[in-house]
Amino acid sequence: DAGITQSPRHKVTETGTPVTLRCHQTENHRYMYWYRQDPGHGLRLIHYSYGVKDTDKGEVSDGYSVSRSKTEDFLLTLESATSSQTSVYFCAISESLGGVNSPLHFGNGTRLTVT
Amino acid sequence: SQQGEEDPQALSIQEGENATMNCSYKTSINNLQWYRQNSGRGLVHLILIRSNEREKHSGRLRVTLDTSKKSSSLLITASRAADTASYFCATGFFNGQNFVFGPGTRLSVLP
Repeated sequence: DAGITQSPRHKVTETGTPVTLRCHQTENHRYMYWYRQDPGHGLRLIHYSYGVKDTDKGEVSDGYSVSRSKTEDFLLTLESATSSQTSVYFCAISESLGGVNSPLHFGNGTRLTVT
Repeated sequence: SQQGEEDPQALSIQEGENATMNCSYKTSINNLQWYRQNSGRGLVHLILIRSNEREKHSGRLRVTLDTSKKSSSLLITASRAADTASYFCATGFFNGQNFVFGPGTRLSVLP
């Protein structure tokens, strides 16, 4: 497995509270991504990063923010969690954008429940 | 609407049989990739096929791509119980924008 660690693996939080998920990689890949996975939707891109402090929005970015202060760390923050953000969150990394010349490598996910 | 759509949504076969999953997409692509996801785990890359390729093999996996029909198929030969997983196709684009994943096919291989 590629060296990607997501933390925490599971979290239960209440509506309205802030939540931060962490992704740590040891592969020194330039690109990092946050996806959410929901039944019937496959994976949907939330935000991605193309370098330190360089991030951009994905398909479902509303209600989420990200930060990347170091190559190896990519944080996803839910500023004020809502029940619609209950999901499984995956971090991924790649050497090229969109996997044009290389695939995505995924972490094992964080299961977030917002009550 | 989603770029990639896998078909069928679910497939159940006996060990030793072949499993075929299909993926259709809507716009021109640079490449198409197939991923496997075991329950409770992240996705694992299986195979990448570029738009100028028609077929690729990797072990028991065979992927075809028909750009005229905007479709791809993944064939797993001589399936094993360990192949039980969800399989996703993801389409990549010429401008390097990010992949779009389909909702997946859930494969169950019965011993």
